[in-house]
Amino acid sequence: DTEVTQTPKHLVMGMTNKKSLKCEQHMGHRAMYWYKQKAKKPPELMFVYSYEKLSINESVPSRFSPECPNSSLLNLHLHALQPEDSALYLCASSQVDMGFVYEKLFFGSGTQLSVL
Amino acid sequence: KQEVTQIPAALSVPEGENLVLNCSFTDSAIYNLQWFRQDPGKGLTSLLLIQSSQREQTSGRLNASLDKSSGRSTLYIAASQPGDSATYLCAVNNNNDMRFGAGTRLTVKP
Repeated sequence: DTEVTQTPKHLVMGMTNKKSLKCEQHMGHRAMYWYKQKAKKPPELMFVYSYEKLSINESVPSRFSPECPNSSLLNLHLHALQPEDSALYLCASSQVDMGFVYEKLFFGSGTQLSVL
Repeated sequence: KQEVTQIPAALSVPEGENLVLNCSFTDSAIYNLQWFRQDPGKGLTSLLLIQSSQREQTSGRLNASLDKSSGRSTLYIAASQPGDSATYLCAVNNNNDMRFGAGTRLTVKP
C-alpha cells in the first residue's frame, strides 16, 4: 500500500462551522505533513509531525488545529475559518531515516475546501 | 530562509521534443531534493528524489541532476508526450523543512 488517503475530497463550510480533515497512510511513515495550496501557487507548509509529535508549525493561525492520534492518522481541525482560507489542503507522509532525515514525500489527492 | 526558483514558469513544446526544466535554490546545505508532477486540482506525484550526495537519478524518460554547490537541479524529459502535460515542481529539504518552487507549467502539443 503506497497511498495517502484524504477525506473528504471536497468540503464547503460556513465561517461558524467546525469541521475536520482526515489523512491516513499505512506505509509505516513516521513523518506526516499538512500543506495548503492556493490556485496556481506552490504548496505552503503548515505543520509537520515526526513520531506523532509536532515538530514544525509554520505560524499557522489557531483556527487550524492539527492532531496526530497515532502513526497512521493525521487530522486537521477547522474552526471559524475565513473565506481566504479556501484552498486545496494536502497531506503528505515520508519515512524518517536513521539520521532523522525526512525522505521521499508521498502526497494524498487533497481536500478542496471552500469557506463561505 | 531557503528560496526556491523555477524557470521557466511555463513551457509549450511539440510532441517528441526533449526538454529541460530548471530549479535553483539559495541555501546549498540540503538533505535532498525532490521533483513532483501535479495535474490540475490534484495532489502531487513524486517523480524523482536526489540525495545530497548524489549527482543524478533516472526513471524511464526522466533524468534529474543535482549540482549542490551551485544550487541547481534540472529535470530532463526525453521524447515528450501529450500525457506529460502538467505542472512540475521541485522541493528542497533543508533540515527537514521542505520548500517548493512555484513550478513550471508544461504543455506538450500533439
